[in-house]
Amino acid sequence: NAGVTQTPKFRVLKTGQSMTLLCAQDMNHEYMYWYRQDPGMGLRLIHYSVGEGTTAKGEVPDGYNVSRLKKQNFLLGLESAAPSQTSVYFCASEPSLAGVHEQYFGPGTRLTVT
Amino acid sequence: AQKVTQAQTEISVVEKEDVTLDCVYETRDTTYYLFWYKQPPSGELVFLIRRNSFDEQNEISGRYSWNFQKSTSSFNFTITASQVVDSAVYFCALSEAWYGGATNKLIFGTGTLLAVQP
Repeated sequence: NAGVTQTPKFRVLKTGQSMTLLCAQDMNHEYMYWYRQDPGMGLRLIHYSVGEGTTAKGEVPDGYNVSRLKKQNFLLGLESAAPSQTSVYFCASEPSLAGVHEQYFGPGTRLTVT
Repeated sequence: AQKVTQAQTEISVVEKEDVTLDCVYETRDTTYYLFWYKQPPSGELVFLIRRNSFDEQNEISGRYSWNFQKSTSSFNFTITASQVVDSAVYFCALSEAWYGGATNKLIFGTGTLLAVQP
């Protein structure tokens, strides 16, 4: 049981390049989330998904797109990277039980855009 | 609007001291959940506790304890007899109640960096 995994762990992009971050979970969770963490700002929600085939915008969605084609995977895409997207990206998942439960976080992806 | 404030940006203590991390929240809802997460230097986020708004009992887990006071909208975290391994960034987070079909978006505070010196 690997929990939540993220690929890649590190990446350096040039401005204007594109990339996709992959999040995978093996806990059969319905809910999945993408956050970014910047110094002094905590974690901020980018996009989230309540189930396969559904996605929604979070607090800071601009410049990102997401897809949830399979229940276990949640992809975060940057179509044209900008230096402002330099950050650490965390994926999380949560079971869809009644009430609110802890989110299980992946190890993070450190992205630098030059 | 929901908001979580962790006014202490950094705290430095010497090992074996007790330390309290403050968390103040704002929400319109009467039903909500509060969390604490730990982020050690390795970078992963470790879940510590979840508390719902109807349960105001304080909780103790080993050297950790949490004080939830709805009257002051605070959910403070105390580490007793701190150890070097407690050095980390600690985040407080808030989520409004789950309404069937909606998701549980966490609002994080900006975190408190705790440095425990040997």
